Amino acid sequence: DAGVIQSPRHEVTEMGQEVTLRCKPISGHNSLFWYRQTMMRGLELLIYFNNNVPIDDSGMPEDRFSAKMPNASFSTLKIQPSEPRDSAVYFCASSRELMNTEAFFGQGTRLTVV
Amino acid sequence: GENVEQHPSTLSVQEGDSAVIKCTYSDSASNYFPWYKQELGKRPQLIIDIRSNVGEKKDQRIAVTLNKTAKHFSLHITETQPEDSAVYFCAARGDTGRRALTFGSGTRLQVQP
Repeated sequence: DAGVIQSPRHEVTEMGQEVTLRCKPISGHNSLFWYRQTMMRGLELLIYFNNNVPIDDSGMPEDRFSAKMPNASFSTLKIQPSEPRDSAVYFCASSRELMNTEAFFGQGTRLTVV
Repeated sequence: GENVEQHPSTLSVQEGDSAVIKCTYSDSASNYFPWYKQELGKRPQLIIDIRSNVGEKKDQRIAVTLNKTAKHFSLHITETQPEDSAVYFCAARGDTGRRALTFGSGTRLQVQP
């Protein structure tokens, strides 16, 4: 298995532009998580899905952020419009079950908004 | 919701010495406690985990202890090596409320050769 696959690996965009981050979870995993990592705030949970259904989006910072999981093998995190303070590494992770199982992280997307 | 605190934020040891990282959590319903290692520019990767029905778990040079009464758990690395240098994160998750991992703030471990 190739593991959790994220794209792009790096994204540089101008303030105000729309950014879409993509994630393919490990096949057979039914839970998917989006985290954001910054020096100041560490690893923050943004949103997570179970069986493609959003369970908790209370970590999404603002309405500018949205996430979807149209099927079991694909999820997107969209920022519209982007701002410089959104610059961070965004990780997607998946696990076989929602509870008490290991979460496997993707390589992350390093987003820079200028 | 769950709150996980981790100490110390940085730790420097000599090669061969032991390293201990401690975490406390707030939600008594939490029952799964993994530890992740993140090397520079890489993804976090699980190194060991423990569930609430166990007090201690060991895997070669790495061990984790859990005290549910006090709501704290610790990572112990013995005979440290330069390749152990990384940032280590503890996390906690329960069966109720937010059923996703809440991470500590991380400990940067530097093993001096």
